[in-house]
Amino acid sequence: SQQGEEDPQALSIQEGENATMNCSYKTSINNLQWYRQNSGRGLVHLILIRSNEREKHSGRLRVTLDTSKKSSSLLITASRAADTASYFCATGNFGNEKLTFGTGTRLTIIP
Amino acid sequence: EAQVTQNPRYLITVTGKKLTVTCSQNMNHEYMSWYRQDPGLGLRQIYYSMNVEVTDKGDVPEGYKVSRKEKRNFPLILESPSPNQTSLYFCASRPRPDDWTSVHEQYFGPGTRLTVT
Repeated sequence: SQQGEEDPQALSIQEGENATMNCSYKTSINNLQWYRQNSGRGLVHLILIRSNEREKHSGRLRVTLDTSKKSSSLLITASRAADTASYFCATGNFGNEKLTFGTGTRLTIIP
Repeated sequence: EAQVTQNPRYLITVTGKKLTVTCSQNMNHEYMSWYRQDPGLGLRQIYYSMNVEVTDKGDVPEGYKVSRKEKRNFPLILESPSPNQTSLYFCASRPRPDDWTSVHEQYFGPGTRLTVT
């Protein structure tokens, strides 16, 4: 079964605005990762946050993790047309042998 | 250049005709994995391998086989493909699967779009 569920399923915003996507999961995790996928292409790793971290930044990306609520959010600030893609969260378990992916959020940036 | 390669990128085949999708990585990664991606279902893991000669089932292994005879290669075998295996397939790799203090991101191949008629 899917561990991560992203919300919303699709999001359209104007270029320059901030985009926020959420991910909820069901079981305890060791880490949570966010990936980006351009249409029909492979996934590209964006950022990883460990279970003992609450917030992490990388360039225009900000990720938060709330283990009590079993949820994470990805914020993309000052969005650009090139940010148009699908975004997936993935959770790593304590054995670290498996990443379980959510169903993704389709983000469209309108120029 | 560090990368994961898959071949073929596109394949149309008929029900029951055995096929193999190859996957190779040049990063000396121990962990390799196969996923399928279907609309509305996200990525689902088919099989994974912790190291040479060590493979295990993921969430949707039925109808698939894998082998890991060499560290760099992890082929996906469909012995008797069926239309419900029409999907976009991704191979991925990452180093040291059991290091709790140094979790690494996965590197994905470009994908193989398979159509079974």
